[in-house]
Amino acid sequence: GDSVTQMEGPVTLSEEAFLTINCTYTATGYPSLFWYVQYPGEGLQLLLKATKADDKGSNKGFEATYRKETTSFHLEKGSVQVSDSAVYFCALSDTGGTSYGKLTFGQGTILTVHP
Amino acid sequence: NAGVTQTPKFRILKIGQSMTLQCTQDMNHNYMYWYRQDPGMGLKLIYYSVGAGITDKGEVPNGYNVSRSTTEDFPLRLELAAPSQTSVYFCASSLGPGQGSYNEQFFGPGTRLTVL
Repeated sequence: GDSVTQMEGPVTLSEEAFLTINCTYTATGYPSLFWYVQYPGEGLQLLLKATKADDKGSNKGFEATYRKETTSFHLEKGSVQVSDSAVYFCALSDTGGTSYGKLTFGQGTILTVHP
Repeated sequence: NAGVTQTPKFRILKIGQSMTLQCTQDMNHNYMYWYRQDPGMGLKLIYYSVGAGITDKGEVPNGYNVSRSTTEDFPLRLELAAPSQTSVYFCASSLGPGQGSYNEQFFGPGTRLTVL
C-alpha cells in the first residue's frame, strides 16, 4: 500500500536559518503530493502541492519539488521565522481511477523556531 | 464561508459512554472524511463519504459509525467509548479527485476527545 516517511523530529532552528524536512513516499501509479501545516490549536492547512514529476510547489517562501526518480518531496525554506513554528505533514493522494481521494500522511515533523 | 466547522472542541467521556462529533461544511463539497490524530503519528482515516447517502470505511473504522443524510453534514458516532479512542479528531472535505482540485482537502479545527 501507499506510505509516506518523514524525517524524525522535532527540528529546532534559529530565526533566518535554512530549513529542510525530508519526505519520501511509496505509491503505485502517479500520486499527487502535498505538504500540510498545522499551527498550534488549529486544523491542517494546505501549504503547497505538486501533481506530477518535476513540478515545484511553492507558497509563503516554502518550496518542494516532486522527484519521481528518488520518490521524494522534500520541504525547504531559505530563512525561517518564529511564525513558521508548527507541525508539518507530508502527504500523498492516490489519483487512480477507483480512488476516493484518500490522503496518506507521514507522521509529522514538529518545527520550533527561536528568535 | 465558514469552511469546515466541528463541535465540540473538547470533550471528556467515561468508558462506555456514547457521543456524536459534529462536522459541517458550507463549500458544497461532495467528499467528506473523518481522521484521527494520535501523538507522534500522522492522521489515520476512519470513514469517508463521496456524497449524501454514501459512506465507507477507512483504515481504522472499528468503534465508530457515520451517516451522511445531507451534503453539508457528516457526524461521527462513538457508541461505547474506550480509552483507545482518546485522540484528536479532524473532519475534512473536498471536491473529490478528478474535479480539477487535486483533491485538496479542507480541515476543520478538530475535536480533542479524552476517554477515562
